[in-house]
Amino acid sequence: AQTVTQSQPEMSVQEAETVTLSCTYDTSESNYYLFWYKQPPSRQMILVIRQEAYKQQNATENRFSVNFQKAAKSFSLKISDSQLGDTAMYFCAFMGFTGTASKLTFGTGTRLQVTL
Amino acid sequence: DGGITQSPKYLFRKEGQNVTLSCEQNLNHDAMYWYRQDPGQGLRLIYYSQIVNDFQKGDIAEGYSVSREKKESFPLTVTSAQKNPTAFYLCASSATSGRGTGELFFGEGSRLTVL
Repeated sequence: AQTVTQSQPEMSVQEAETVTLSCTYDTSESNYYLFWYKQPPSRQMILVIRQEAYKQQNATENRFSVNFQKAAKSFSLKISDSQLGDTAMYFCAFMGFTGTASKLTFGTGTRLQVTL
Repeated sequence: DGGITQSPKYLFRKEGQNVTLSCEQNLNHDAMYWYRQDPGQGLRLIYYSQIVNDFQKGDIAEGYSVSREKKESFPLTVTSAQKNPTAFYLCASSATSGRGTGELFFGEGSRLTVL
């Protein structure tokens, strides 16, 4: 079974600064997707960024980028120029392909607080 | 607008009662999922369905039941056998089952409290 580990329960960053959230995972599969989801106080889960394992290039979405290290099974999220609206829970997630099933396995989350 | 609608948003239940949480999507997605969220534990998969009239148990299916009679609907019943049902429940859907794009779209969630 796949596992996803987020070792930072809480983090804080000042507005306009850069912060990196860590994520490691364990799998025996060679092809899979990795995701970062954001859950603001409204509790609505929002996709931040997605990485396909067969792509060597790190995904980027505006101020959000990832550092994907496949051999190390590491998938960190970097948020540049942090904004107050980035305050949320951030979940790392893994989707493998077992047969025809696509299931998302989540980490326990990192609570990010952006301060003035 | 297309999306996923969960209802009710808040629900209170007495011990020993079954309760059903509704999840409807108009995204024409094949796959639907139910997750449970508890503080400090992330999201855990309860049940998922890839096509109509078929569903599979997730990691914590005990005490829950589902049905998938229509593509748009995937209701979750929390039965009296669920020993600790107080939680936040999230429904999600994805465009393709199997080897698709992977992205899940989520509803706004339902908060169940057992009194």
